[in-house]
Amino acid sequence: GQSLEQPSEVTAVEGAIVQINCTYQTSGFYGLSWYQQHDGGAPTFLSYNALDGLEETGRFSSFLSRSDSYGYLLLQELQMKDSASYFCAVTSGTYKYIFGTGTRLKVLA
Amino acid sequence: KAGVTQTPRYLIKTRGQQVTLSCSPISGHRSVSWYQQTPGQGLQFLFEYFSETQRNKGNFPGRFSGRQFSNSRSEMNVSTLELGDSALYLCASSLGLAGAKNIQYFGAGTRLSVL
Repeated sequence: GQSLEQPSEVTAVEGAIVQINCTYQTSGFYGLSWYQQHDGGAPTFLSYNALDGLEETGRFSSFLSRSDSYGYLLLQELQMKDSASYFCAVTSGTYKYIFGTGTRLKVLA
Repeated sequence: KAGVTQTPRYLIKTRGQQVTLSCSPISGHRSVSWYQQTPGQGLQFLFEYFSETQRNKGNFPGRFSGRQFSNSRSEMNVSTLELGDSALYLCASSLGLAGAKNIQYFGAGTRLSVL
């Protein structure tokens, strides 16, 4: 079957670094994406990894290990506005986008 | 450039009724995907349309259907509504099929409440 697992909630303080993990099980894997969704808002694209390694975009980085079916999103220099839900999503040949259930990030002052 | 527009934003229906939701993608985008979002379930893929053809379908009953028009606008229909259909329905558009590195841009969603 197809499945993704990510922690349901993560808490960190402003200025800290937080890592949100995502493990997946799927066939026909294309890539791993990350989306951010603020309460009441629409999901917005953060990053995409198709190959092993680290992709960096400003304060956010995303990592993928295809052999381990594992990826993570790294958020540095946390700000209060980073409080949101973060979804990993696998693009697969069969079901296209499969989203995880999301990780709620709480940033404390 | 206008974003993805979904109408209506809110809907209240009763069990057994049917409902049609609308999605206008970003200009130039040919792919429209639909998702159901409920607390604790994340985003569940419903289907994807590209060039007026359904290209992929998620694991939902046949009560959920959709279509895409020649201008890429898409509609989603749910017939014989059940209480469990209460959810936020999100539409996402992308330039090409939602795979590879085709980023999906989401609308604000339609919140459907079934009473």
